[in-house]
Amino acid sequence: NAGVTQTPKFQVLKTGQSMTLQCAQDMNHEYMSWYRQDPGMGLRLIHYSVGAGITDQGEVPNGYNVSRSTTEDFPLRLLSAAPSQTSVYFCASSRLAGGYEQFFGPGTRLTVL
Amino acid sequence: AQKVTQAQTEISVVEKEDVTLDCVYETRDTTYYLFWYKQPPSGELVFLIRRNSFDEQNEISGRYSWNFQKSTSSFNFTITASQVVDSAVYFCALSEVNFNKFYFGSGTKLNVKP
Repeated sequence: NAGVTQTPKFQVLKTGQSMTLQCAQDMNHEYMSWYRQDPGMGLRLIHYSVGAGITDQGEVPNGYNVSRSTTEDFPLRLLSAAPSQTSVYFCASSRLAGGYEQFFGPGTRLTVL
Repeated sequence: AQKVTQAQTEISVVEKEDVTLDCVYETRDTTYYLFWYKQPPSGELVFLIRRNSFDEQNEISGRYSWNFQKSTSSFNFTITASQVVDSAVYFCALSEVNFNKFYFGSGTKLNVKP
């Protein structure tokens, strides 16, 4: 079991560029989510999905898109990168929504210049 | 309003001291879950514990213990006889069953000095 994998580990973008952060899990988890971690602010929920074909917004969804075409994959798209999106991004999955422990990927450190 | 408040931004202790990390939460759900995660300097997030809102029993796991009090909406975490390896950022989190969302506190950075 690889658990939750994220690619890339590091990325530098210029303002206005677009890119996709990849996330995959091999635990057959229904619930997947994306967080961003900024100094002093903990982890903030960007988008989440309770199953294939179902996504919803979290606390800070602006500037990000997601889709969930399979149970395994949950990519996060930055449409037009801005310096305010410089952050560490974590993908997580859990068996179901609600009270289940989330398993986190190793994170992607994104810098937008 | 913050759903999860960790008022202690950073705590420094000397090895073997006991330390308590505070967590206060806010919810209107009657069914919810509380979590603690550890983020060591390497950056990964490690699950430590989960409690549901109907179980107020305190829990002990080795040097770690958790005190859940619904009356004060608190879920505090105590490390007994701290060690240098306990140095990390610790996050408290809340999951509201009806809303499919997790809320994390801002974290407490624990520095354990030898």
